[in-house]
Amino acid sequence: DAGITQSPRHKVTETGTPVTLRCHQTENHRYMYWYRQDPGHGLRLIHYSYGVKDTDKGEVSDGYSVSRSKTEDFLLTLESATSSQTSVYFCAISESVAGENNEQFFGPGTRLTVL
Amino acid sequence: RKEVEQDPGPFNVPEGATVAFNCTYSNSASQSFFWYRQDCRKEPKLLMSVYSSGNEDGRFTAQLNRASQYISLLIRDSKLSDSATYLCVVRKNGNKLVFGAGTILRVKS
Repeated sequence: DAGITQSPRHKVTETGTPVTLRCHQTENHRYMYWYRQDPGHGLRLIHYSYGVKDTDKGEVSDGYSVSRSKTEDFLLTLESATSSQTSVYFCAISESVAGENNEQFFGPGTRLTVL
Repeated sequence: RKEVEQDPGPFNVPEGATVAFNCTYSNSASQSFFWYRQDCRKEPKLLMSVYSSGNEDGRFTAQLNRASQYISLLIRDSKLSDSATYLCVVRKNGNKLVFGAGTILRVKS
C-alpha cells in the first residue's frame, strides 16, 4: 500500500470554527489532491497540488484553502466550517499525470461532521 | 447532467454469477478511463485501467466504446469478496479525474 496517512481520521466540530486536515505521504510523489465524497456523488476534487507551493482549484473549492510547504505534506483548511462541509475527505497522490505512473493512490479518509 | 453516470444498483447476485456494470461519460475529450473499487468505509483503489481495445485481468473484463462514450466492466464467477462499490473514473485533461457515484455490488452465498 502507498504510504499515505491522514489526520485526524474523525472530527466533530461546530459551525464557524476553522478546521485543518493533514495529508502526509512517504512516496515522494509530486502530485497531491484533496477530494470530498458525499452520498449520491462521486468523489469531487477540491484542490490539488503539482509541487511545493504550487496549487490549483478543483470543481468544489469554495470555502476551502490548501497549502503545501513540503513535498510530503498537503493541508486542507476550512476557514469557517459550515454544515454543508460535513463529508468524508480523501487525500490522494500520484507520481505523474499520464502514462503508466498516473494511478492515484488514496489515503484512508477523514470523516468530518460540522454541527 | 453528471459528467460520469453509473447505475447505483445495488446489484445482488449469487456466487459464481456473471455481472456487468455500465458507465457513460459526457465529455468526448476524455482521455483515460479506469475502474476503481471501494470497500465499505474504505478508500478507493484502482481495479483496472480501460483501454480502447478492451482488456482483461483474470475474472474482470473492461470495454470502452468511444463513439458511444460508454465503458463497461464484466465480472465473471463472482466471489463474496467482490462485494464492493465500483467507481467509473474518467480523466479529462491533465491530472484531473472525474468519478461516477459508484455501483454497489453484493455477492451472496
